[in-house]
Amino acid sequence: QQQVKQSPQSLIVQKGGISIINCAYENTAFDYFPWYQQFPGKGPALLIAIRPDVSEKKEGRFTISFNKSAKQFSLHIMDSQPGDSATYFCAARMDSSYKLIFGSGTRLLVRP
Amino acid sequence: EAGVVQSPRYKIIEKKQPVAFWCNPISGHNTLYWYLQNLGQGPELLIRYENEEAVDDSQLPKDRFSAERLKGVDSTLKIQPAELGDSAVYLCASSPEGRGEQFFGPGTRLTVL
Repeated sequence: QQQVKQSPQSLIVQKGGISIINCAYENTAFDYFPWYQQFPGKGPALLIAIRPDVSEKKEGRFTISFNKSAKQFSLHIMDSQPGDSATYFCAARMDSSYKLIFGSGTRLLVRP
Repeated sequence: EAGVVQSPRYKIIEKKQPVAFWCNPISGHNTLYWYLQNLGQGPELLIRYENEEAVDDSQLPKDRFSAERLKGVDSTLKIQPAELGDSAVYLCASSPEGRGEQFFGPGTRLTVL
């Protein structure tokens, strides 16, 4: 119940394409869902986050879509660029806890 | 503003040896976290500090791992003795308060031979 399942494990997209990464959770007590971006040799950095009272949040080329009934959320990267090549992690946190539960990560490669 | 600083960045030791990692959080951040990140996996929380108090250490293997945060600023994570399975990246993160955004350091990559 504490797990967050992330797919795909790896993704290759052409420059200008749309990258889509999916996550699913079981625990309905989760109420904060961030996405982190991690480059090699660096720590994860917060990219965008959503709470379950909205179905979509957009920041620049990055959009989170949230489906509360299906207990799924996804990250869409529009107009993907080679500089977006990194590992992306979804995560979830309960309001009563400070603990982030991370997915297993998606390695994105954007080809020029 | 300086980010979270960790040292060393890389450490190679033989099994059964002790090792220590140091973290300096962002100035003013009261909450400090230590995470373990295995290859190809997401980070997993080991311990969380609020100021100098460890408020969540339920995931810390206390037989060999220990941590401290003296004066509520810098923190040290220690492993003694290290085992082969401890090879991983150890990440430190901090946040202004418990539920705020977590800022991660670059991590220490530990290799146990």
